[in-house]
Amino acid sequence: DTAVSQTPKYLVTQMGNDKSIKCEQNLGHDTMYWYKQDSKKFLKIMFSYNNKELIINETVPNRFSPKSPDKAHLNLHINSLELGDSAVYFCASSPSGEGGQPQHFGDGTRLSIL
Amino acid sequence: GENVEQHPSTLSVQEGDSAVIKCTYSDSASNYFPWYKQELGKRPQLIIDIRSNVGEKKDQRIAVTLNKTAKHFSLHITETQPEDSAVYFCAAVRGSARQLTFGSGTQLTVLP
Repeated sequence: DTAVSQTPKYLVTQMGNDKSIKCEQNLGHDTMYWYKQDSKKFLKIMFSYNNKELIINETVPNRFSPKSPDKAHLNLHINSLELGDSAVYFCASSPSGEGGQPQHFGDGTRLSIL
Repeated sequence: GENVEQHPSTLSVQEGDSAVIKCTYSDSASNYFPWYKQELGKRPQLIIDIRSNVGEKKDQRIAVTLNKTAKHFSLHITETQPEDSAVYFCAAVRGSARQLTFGSGTQLTVLP
């Protein structure tokens, strides 16, 4: 009964490959996010979708493309992987409502580029 | 955009002592301030949050204070225990935006 689930948990691949990370939430939330946590533990927003529509797109290379088939899913596809893409990627979701809302995080996907 | 600064980056305390982590934010329109705890290899988990219409909030051993005028907020943990050891992140959200801007994190170590 995991609230926000990501797959895979670990992803090891070579430079230049294309890979996808999937995220699903069963909390009934309207908004979903992707964050990148680098080796220094810094957490930075990449994308945010509200009801399948993109609302936040930070300065992220266009090799990264999010896709939201419905409001419970937000997948992340990465083309032409580079060494600097090695990080932990967290998916999160939050309900709608006035002001900020608590975000619930998935367990993360540790991406390692060889 | 919003900028959140967090201090200290590392903090060691003896078990039973108190720990205080401080954050400042730049955007006066920010109105929601959550704190997350991240244990090694785990996901960030919300431990407490505060909205801009409140000056202080407490939940058992954890409290958060907010000074809107000075644009800073702090996390207080009393009677620390070894299981409190983790990285703690503050964050700020501005208005209707749903974007969390995180501080750089504080590695708290509680020594038995």
